[in-house]
Amino acid sequence: DAGITQSPRYKITETGRQVTLMCHQTWSHSYMFWYRQDLGHGLRLIYYSAAADITDKGEVPDGYVVSRSKTENFPLTLESATRSQTSVYFCASHGPSYNEQFFGPGTRLTVL
Amino acid sequence: LAKTTQPISMDSYEGQEVNITCSHNNIATNDYITWYQQFPSQGPRFIIQGYKTKVTNEVASLFIPADRKSSTLSLPRVSLSDTAVYYCLVGGSSNTGKLIFGQGTTLQVKP
Repeated sequence: DAGITQSPRYKITETGRQVTLMCHQTWSHSYMFWYRQDLGHGLRLIYYSAAADITDKGEVPDGYVVSRSKTENFPLTLESATRSQTSVYFCASHGPSYNEQFFGPGTRLTVL
Repeated sequence: LAKTTQPISMDSYEGQEVNITCSHNNIATNDYITWYQQFPSQGPRFIIQGYKTKVTNEVASLFIPADRKSSTLSLPRVSLSDTAVYYCLVGGSSNTGKLIFGQGTTLQVKP
């Protein structure tokens, strides 16, 4: 299926555990992004990537690691999860038009 | 990236036209004005974008005055399904695609 997908859709983990959220897009878009959205708030940029092997920090990168070995995949890893990382995580890719991003369905992560 | 200011919330009734205004006093020359819509439990969705004057598509219209320091998203004849959060963003092709999402405007459409 064409588009952008995220997995898992829901995840419950414990403090201190490593968690990886997956993001896959089929359009071969160069730019990809990870956002987090906390209850009642807007989206905050965690990391973004301009192309394979090129990543950069966003507004709230602490506690997160990203990699991008292939254009279509952009995984986000929480190396040692904390309760403050409980959030909904959205992955997005940038389309051909200015400022047009396509968002995945989100991953709801709960850290106990 | 220019900062935007928009109302936190708005209420409307089905069938009415809704106008959401966004202020962006520090907009740069190459910035575009973009609006996203987000339904509960979904990711944001691009709905309209413009640079100046008026843009219309099948979903909404976007009005931008000559000074470009504000913009108005117009939703004609809203329905209950238009209940969502609407985000106004400004940015241009030189900003690496990074977007700053503010709090957005929560639109509640009532029957």
